[in-house]
Amino acid sequence: AQTVTQSQPEMSVQEAETVTLSCTYDTSESDYYLFWYKQPPSRQMILVIRQEAYKQQNATENRFSVNFQKAAKSFSLKISDSQLGDAAMYFCAQSQGAQKLVFGQGTRLTINP
Amino acid sequence: DVKVTQSSRYLVKRTGEKVFLECVQDMDHENMFWYRQDPGLGLRLIYFSYDVKMKEKGDIPEGYSVSREKKERFSLILESASTNQTSMYLCASTIPGLAAYTDTQYFGPGTRLTVL
Repeated sequence: AQTVTQSQPEMSVQEAETVTLSCTYDTSESDYYLFWYKQPPSRQMILVIRQEAYKQQNATENRFSVNFQKAAKSFSLKISDSQLGDAAMYFCAQSQGAQKLVFGQGTRLTINP
Repeated sequence: DVKVTQSSRYLVKRTGEKVFLECVQDMDHENMFWYRQDPGLGLRLIYFSYDVKMKEKGDIPEGYSVSREKKERFSLILESASTNQTSMYLCASTIPGLAAYTDTQYFGPGTRLTVL
């Protein structure tokens, strides 16, 4: 079975600093998608960033970028210039075929002013 | 904008009650999903549906059933609620046929269910 592991239950960072959230996954498939989702305290889960496994170039979305290491099955999220609004639970997810997703356990990110 | 709504934000039920959680999406999505979210466990897939009247079991279907009579609506049913079903329930849907959005799921706000 495919698994996604987030080894950091909680992280904290000073406002304006950079933080990296870790994610590893296990799959035998060669073509898949990886995602980072954010769940703020209001609970609406929203997509942060998406990476296609066949693309070598790391995805970026403004202050958010990923470090995708396919051979190592690693997919970390870097948040630059952290803002108070970045405080949330962050979930890493991998597509499992047929548009299903497998999620990690989540990392709670705190931003210190 | 994609909009996925859930019928209740908070729900309190008694053990043994039949519980209905409703999810509606307004963007003609074909695929819809029900997850439960528990601390330290992330999101776990309960059931999903590819089309009207079609359903498939996810990773933890026991104690749950689903109904999809219309494309925009996907219901999760707890036939006889138990205390171990106290959880956050999230509904999601996906945009079909657009490569740039393949596998991207859009979530509702969630329903916090407490079973006493």
